[in-house]
Amino acid sequence: DVKVTQSSRYLVKRTGEKVFLECVQDMDHENMFWYRQDPGLGLRLIYFSYDVKMKEKGDIPEGYSVSREKKERFSLILESASTNQTSMYLCASSSNGLAGGPSDTQYFGPGTRLTVL
Amino acid sequence: AQSVTQLGSHVSVSEGALVLLRCNYSSSVPPYLFWYVQYPNQGLQLLLKYTSAATLVKGINGFEAEFKKSETSFHLTKPSAHMSDAAEYFCAVSYFGYNRLAFGKGNQVVVIP
Repeated sequence: DVKVTQSSRYLVKRTGEKVFLECVQDMDHENMFWYRQDPGLGLRLIYFSYDVKMKEKGDIPEGYSVSREKKERFSLILESASTNQTSMYLCASSSNGLAGGPSDTQYFGPGTRLTVL
Repeated sequence: AQSVTQLGSHVSVSEGALVLLRCNYSSSVPPYLFWYVQYPNQGLQLLLKYTSAATLVKGINGFEAEFKKSETSFHLTKPSAHMSDAAEYFCAVSYFGYNRLAFGKGNQVVVIP
């Protein structure tokens, strides 16, 4: 069965802290994605990766960075957390990388609810 | 750029009544369209997707959607709502290449007994 896991369901951090959100998929997928979800705004893409060590900016990359050292793991990093980064963060993965079709299904993790105080 | 519009953030429906969620897309190329559902405290799950094979798409849990090019729409329906359908529903359109998705703002569905 397809599985995407995220390291924490709930996380509370202080302003200025460096925050790591981890995502692991067990489906050997090439593509991985990080979204943030806010009420009334839907899901917005922060970064995605189509291969190990490859990354592309999404729609709202400011204040975030990512790391993908292994195929199954994609990390989202908040270099200096701020209160406006309080949100739900969702990770997803899909197959096929650069050769992938736009019709591929994305599989989502359960999300990490981050609160920055 | 591709985008989708979902109107009405909250939708209330009586148990047993028709569920209708509207999605209109904007795309400069033939689109690939998706409906995802998010149950409370869970991630998103695919309900169905349009990949140009058939205009009427059937999904899980009795949902279906019809692609209408002339109306640039992909509305989601279910003939009879169940209490278990209470969730948030998102329409999305795929960018060409890399499987990048643009999501609508979502519809929170409340089912009234």
